[in-house]
Amino acid sequence: EVHLVVSGGGLVQPGGSLRLSCSASGFTFSGYSMHWVRQAPGKALEYVSAISNDGGSIFYADSVEGRFIISRDNSENTLYLQMSSLRVEDTAVYYCVKGQRRITRLYGMDVWGQGTTVSVSS
Amino acid sequence: QSALTQPPSASGSPGQSVTISCTGTSSDIGVYDYVSWYQHRPGEAPKLMIYEVNKRPSGVPDRFSGSRSGNTASLTVSGLQADDEADYFCTSYAGDDNYVFGTGTKVTVL
Repeated sequence: EVHLVVSGGGLVQPGGSLRLSCSASGFTFSGYSMHWVRQAPGKALEYVSAISNDGGSIFYADSVEGRFIISRDNSENTLYLQMSSLRVEDTAVYYCVKGQRRITRLYGMDVWGQGTTVSVSS
Repeated sequence: QSALTQPPSASGSPGQSVTISCTGTSSDIGVYDYVSWYQHRPGEAPKLMIYEVNKRPSGVPDRFSGSRSGNTASLTVSGLQADDEADYFCTSYAGDDNYVFGTGTKVTVL
């Protein structure tokens, strides 16, 4: 069974940094794209970032471009999201999601982790 | 990219059918065959119910079906069961490696 366990969320001041980790199991991690999706309080889900199976293709939403860095360690079956220059509007539940294919485009996502809360506040 | 529009709520009695709409644009739902639907129960991770407009993953009951007409996709749950009570949201590929999500619909089984 596929499991995605996210850690690293918490409370941070505006301008601060956090790194989210997503530990994957139950599938061949190196064969699939991975995605980050977030949901701010009272808002619709927002697609944040994605990385292809080999890390060769990366996407960032305009809202996080230049501040967030996605990466993966296929030897450790782990996905990361390094978040810097955090803003109040980055406050959200962040989900780690497995892609349906090795590429990030078109095919979408299938298995979701439980999510971790990131709160940006002074 | 604006969120896809879903009704905030939908309901039905056990055994009835409920259909949830997901309205996008000619830049997402209207042009790509990559619409997915997820079920999200409180305290649980979202679960994929439909992908590529009308395909069901293994293990999802055939009571769940998807369709699309123009810029609007729909999820129909037939033979409603108490266990179907949850939030449902849609997503569509929107081009340029981007995806857009729906606003979510809370389904209540009366």
